[in-house]
Order: sequence, then C-alpha cells, then structure tokens
Amino acid sequence: AQRVTQPEKLLSVFKGAPVELKCNYSYSGSPELFWYVQYSRQRLQLLLRHISRESIKGFTADLNKGETSFHLKKPFAQEEDSAMYYCALRSQGNLIFGKGTKLSVKP
Amino acid sequence: NAGVTQTPKFQVLKTGQSMTLQCAQDMNHNSMYWYRQDPGMGLRLIYYSASEGTTDKGEVPNGYNVSRLNKREFSLRLESAAPSQTSVYFCASSLKQATNEKLFFGSGTQLSVL
Repeated sequence: AQRVTQPEKLLSVFKGAPVELKCNYSYSGSPELFWYVQYSRQRLQLLLRHISRESIKGFTADLNKGETSFHLKKPFAQEEDSAMYYCALRSQGNLIFGKGTKLSVKP
Repeated sequence: NAGVTQTPKFQVLKTGQSMTLQCAQDMNHNSMYWYRQDPGMGLRLIYYSASEGTTDKGEVPNGYNVSRLNKREFSLRLESAAPSQTSVYFCASSLKQATNEKLFFGSGTQLSVL
C-alpha cells in the first residue's frame, strides 16, 4: 500500500542549526514526491518537488530510492522557517500526505 | 487573483444538522479536491474531481457528498453532521490531475460539530 511516514510530530532547533525533516514512503513504482509547508495563518503551499531538484528558501530534498526516503534539509535554520511541513506522494493521480512535522526554530 | 476561495471560514453545527462548504477557483483549473486536516492525522483526501463533470471518492468519503457545479466550483456537503466530522477542511485545485502538478489550497474551513 502507498504510504508516507513522517516519524517526528515536532522538531525543535535553534536558529543557525541544521535541520532535517524526515520522510519515508512506500510505493511500488517510480515515486513522485513533494514537500508542502503551512506557515502560521497562511495557506498550505508547495515548497518543492523532487522532480525539479530545486532549492527553495535554502531547503533541499533528495530522493533516495534505496532507503525510500525524501528528507528535507536546510543547513542553517531561520526563525521564519517555523511551520508545519508535510511530505506528499503522488499516487494514482492524487496526493497522499504524511501526518506532518511541526518545525520550531528558536532564537 | 483570488486563487482558491472557501466559505465559510468557521462553522459550528449541532449533530444531525446539514451544511455545504463552498469552494471556487479562478485559475481555470481542471481538477479540484477536498481534504480534511486533523491533529496527528495530516491531510486526508475526502473527494476529488479530476475534471468538470466527474467526481470520485478519496480516502475518507463516508458522511460526505460533493458536487462539481461547473469548472470553477466544487462543493462539499455534510448531510447529517457528526462530532467525528469536526475538522479543518481544505479545498484545493490543480491544473490537471497529473504528474508534477502542484496543488493550490484554500484558506480552510474550521468546522465544529457539537
């Protein structure tokens, strides 16, 4: 069955520290993976997608098919990165979301 | 450009009452979706409409109905609300239900069923 697992409900780091939000997936076939972010009082929005191999707001995510992972990383966290982050997998045309990880960046 | 607009933003219902959540998009998108967001559960797909004139069940469709009124509008109806339907509901749209298309989300409807 297709599944997205985000093992951490809450991740708390200090400003300037590296951050890694974990995402593992279960999917038979070639996965299409995304990270969505929801800042406080804002709409859920796309952060990045693996197919684009892009870096948005300093975040990157690399698809590791061997480990079935798509972890989101940033070398130096900023306070404005505090938000809810969702990993998502496209399955049969629709997105399956993980349960989300709340990132809190402390000053 | 309003994007995806949902109404109402907040609603309190009594068990057994009915209501319709409205959603409209002005981006000429073909596909529209309804999700619910619950603490510790993430976002779960209720129903979707891949294109005008079609609707399909998602992961958690029980207790809900939808109508794709036209290309712009996709409504979600609760015929007999239950406390288990207390949640935040998000409407979303995408150009098409296909590879790499990103979803645009509405601002959400916070629903409480007492």
